[in-house]
Amino acid sequence: EDQVTQSPEALRLQEGESSSLNCSYTVSGLRGLFWYRQDPGKGPEFLFTLYSAGEEKEKERLKATLTKKESFLHITAPKPEDSATYLCAVQGSQGGSEKLVFGKGTKLTVNP
Amino acid sequence: NAGVTQTPKFQVLKTGQSMTLQCAQDMNHNSMYWYRQDPGMGLRLIYYSASEGTTDKGEVPNGYNVSRLNKREFSLRLESAAPSQTSVYFCASSERWDRGRDTFGSGTRLTVV
Repeated sequence: EDQVTQSPEALRLQEGESSSLNCSYTVSGLRGLFWYRQDPGKGPEFLFTLYSAGEEKEKERLKATLTKKESFLHITAPKPEDSATYLCAVQGSQGGSEKLVFGKGTKLTVNP
Repeated sequence: NAGVTQTPKFQVLKTGQSMTLQCAQDMNHNSMYWYRQDPGMGLRLIYYSASEGTTDKGEVPNGYNVSRLNKREFSLRLESAAPSQTSVYFCASSERWDRGRDTFGSGTRLTVV
């Protein structure tokens, strides 16, 4: 069974204090790993797709990386507006191609 | 603005009542999805529609039914609501070839008392 574990559950940073969020996964045949941002009272917003180990994607202060067992979302010099819950999801090759398995998320708070 | 629109945003039901959650997208996506999000759990797929005219069960379909009314609209029906169905429900759409790059609605917060 495909599984996704995100850590830490919550993270508090000072503005400008860089850090990383972790997404560990087990999946039968990775078809894609996805990162989303979710603001309170809103639906998730797509950030990145990673397909194979070694791949990296960047967007502003965010950089996502992928290994065969985990993905990291690196946040460089965060700002208060980066505060949100970050979700990780995987799509495996079994159990139907439509199914994404989501982690529980990491709630990031960036203090000014 | 292009996107996914869900109605209603909030709803309180009594146990045993029925209701339909509405979802519409204007991005011409073929695939649409219904998820539920509960505290301490990840998003879970209830039902999906890979294309107009087709629907399939996801991970947690019991107690729900769906209708893909046309390419734009995908509704979720609770026939006899139970307290265990208290949750936040999200509709999403995507192109099937670009699975994961889903566009989500803003959600319906449902409380069953």
